Amino acid sequence: ETGVTQSPTHLIKTRGQQVTLRCSSQSGHNTVSWYQQALGQGPQFIFQYYREEENGRGNFPPRFSGLQFPNYSSELNVNALELDDSALYLCASSQKSPNTGELFFGEGSRLTVL
Amino acid sequence: AQSVSQHNHHVILSEAASLELGCNYSYGGTVNLFWYVQYPGQHLQLLLKYFSGDPLVKGIKGFEAEFIKSKFSFNLRKPSVQWSDTAEYFCAVNMGGSQGNLIFGKGTKLSVKP
Repeated sequence: ETGVTQSPTHLIKTRGQQVTLRCSSQSGHNTVSWYQQALGQGPQFIFQYYREEENGRGNFPPRFSGLQFPNYSSELNVNALELDDSALYLCASSQKSPNTGELFFGEGSRLTVL
Repeated sequence: AQSVSQHNHHVILSEAASLELGCNYSYGGTVNLFWYVQYPGQHLQLLLKYFSGDPLVKGIKGFEAEFIKSKFSFNLRKPSVQWSDTAEYFCAVNMGGSQGNLIFGKGTKLSVKP
């Protein structure tokens, strides 16, 4: 087990709705990254948070936003859901220093948009 | 655009067969290279990584990978696979972005027949 927990594990939304996904990072980790994994694809980087600020972003529109809290947990928010947002959303935690390069992944939140 | 290519979508082997999974990336700068594995029903976990130094790196469970800079490749190998190696394998590359910004390949599903 990695110690990274995500909630909810599964959820169903309709197009146009908003969703919030949550992640608790592994103890001792201060950096959280979010990934989207569509069916049959590898994970795709959404953004990373460090010290409660966004610290790198992938090619995702602004309706994908996030937060990091003082306890290093994090949220991913997606507004105006589209059908293509259906995917597994992965959270990964790591430590900024020393940088081992290893990400510790949670089991993901599977979002279905109807 | 920066990308990671995994050549095989699904590989089927018998136990004791040798394994080589291909991975190529498109980026001319300094890279950090990773192989992650996802066993059935489990989260993604690190198999091995390369940052610098000896281009032949050894990971867990007898896996190794070789970084060939001139070929932009980081192929994964194992001399003798076991049924328990059945999993999906992802090559990932950090191409100078933030620490958590990995570009993943689409993955290779390995099925090992007992």
